[in-house]
Amino acid sequence: LAKTTQPISMDSYEGQEVNITCSHNNIATNDYITWYQQFPSQGPRFIIQGYKTKVTNEVASLFIPADRKSSTLSLPRVSLSDTAVYYCLVGGRDGYNKLIFGAGTRLAVHP
Amino acid sequence: GAGVSQSPSNKVTEKGKDVELRCDPISGHTALYWYRQRLGQGLEFLIYFQGNSAPDKSGLPSDRFSAERTGESVSTLTIQRTQQEDSAVYLCASSLGQEVNEKLFFGSGTQLSVL
Repeated sequence: LAKTTQPISMDSYEGQEVNITCSHNNIATNDYITWYQQFPSQGPRFIIQGYKTKVTNEVASLFIPADRKSSTLSLPRVSLSDTAVYYCLVGGRDGYNKLIFGAGTRLAVHP
Repeated sequence: GAGVSQSPSNKVTEKGKDVELRCDPISGHTALYWYRQRLGQGLEFLIYFQGNSAPDKSGLPSDRFSAERTGESVSTLTIQRTQQEDSAVYLCASSLGQEVNEKLFFGSGTQLSVL
């Protein structure tokens, strides 16, 4: 399974754009890139998933360069409620049933 | 129910006792996962059920841990002779089990404290 590396923590302020980059140098051809968000005392929640280029939904955007060795989760105009842990996962059919959640990135949004 | 339901939400037990944790997945979801999350850490995969296939138990940390699933519904995670190191949040997730890389839907977890 491809290993991911992401910053342990980040700080931001309300209204700013936050970009969290994840490295996955050993990503396999059939691997997708998925991001989850976890609030305290809750289970993780799916945010966004992509394979290549750019994906956008109502919550975030995901940028994936051509070599797919990294990806960037972009949160536009964050608010205090975006304070959470963000997990980057890489996996495809072979690793599908063993999605590996690392320590994630703890994002703190300040007033 | 609308989401994955786990019970109890909190469990305090004494070292050496057995505990059972329950997970009710979303109706129609054939895939079910158990994860463990220690304080301030990421999620540790424990076990995976998919339909009637043999479960993937490769993440269970010791033979004190076991899990069962009745058909495509409720699952129970049992920890025998609990140890203080078993203290953690135990999270259950389910998914449709039909597509590659489909979303996992998590419950709120069971906080287990072993005294």
